[in-house]
Amino acid sequence: GEDVEQSLFLSVREGDSSVINCTYTDSSSTYLYWYKQEPGAGLQLLTYIFSNMDMKQDQRLTVLLNKKDKHLSLRIADTQTGDSAIYFCAGSISSGSARQLTFGSGTQLTVLP
Amino acid sequence: DTGVSQNPRHKITKRGQNVTFRCDPISEHNRLYWYRQTLGQGPEFLTYFQNEAQLEKSRLLSDRFSAERPKGSFSTLEIQRTEQGDSAMYLCASSRPLGYSGNTIYFGEGSWLTVV
Repeated sequence: GEDVEQSLFLSVREGDSSVINCTYTDSSSTYLYWYKQEPGAGLQLLTYIFSNMDMKQDQRLTVLLNKKDKHLSLRIADTQTGDSAIYFCAGSISSGSARQLTFGSGTQLTVLP
Repeated sequence: DTGVSQNPRHKITKRGQNVTFRCDPISEHNRLYWYRQTLGQGPEFLTYFQNEAQLEKSRLLSDRFSAERPKGSFSTLEIQRTEQGDSAMYLCASSRPLGYSGNTIYFGEGSWLTVV
């Protein structure tokens, strides 16, 4: 099955850019997602990228996809303290008609004032 | 969209008791998913419904777990004879039918289960 790996921790200064990295193993993943989770809360969908795209930008968020290396990154510009959370990368497995997600273990982003 | 709604948000139960969680998906979303998340880990897929049909079940879903979606709208997840290892957050998610852009999957706030 799919494996998704992320670095566990990232600290940045407020106002700097954050880059969260993710690698995945299943080259047939059709969609790749980024979710944000604040303490004690559910998952908030941030953005997604279709596998035939290299880049997607959405306001302060930029997603880069390198299919050859199976590497996905999320860049947050002008990082704010409110961005402190756990960020999950997830890949979709096409399994019949299901679109299950396989998640990484999450990257804890800490934004320092 | 009112979002995916789950309740109860928190449940503490004694080992051996049964618990039931409810999920109300976003209206017009015909697909509904249950995931489980333990501390320090990402969510893991448990099961998936398309309308009222349960189409996929993970090997994580032991025979003590049962999920239903009787009318294709809300869903329940019941855990019988709870064990301490069942302590986790149970997340429900929903999505539109295939073919919609991104097939984005929206999650609820989760239901925390603590088995003591």
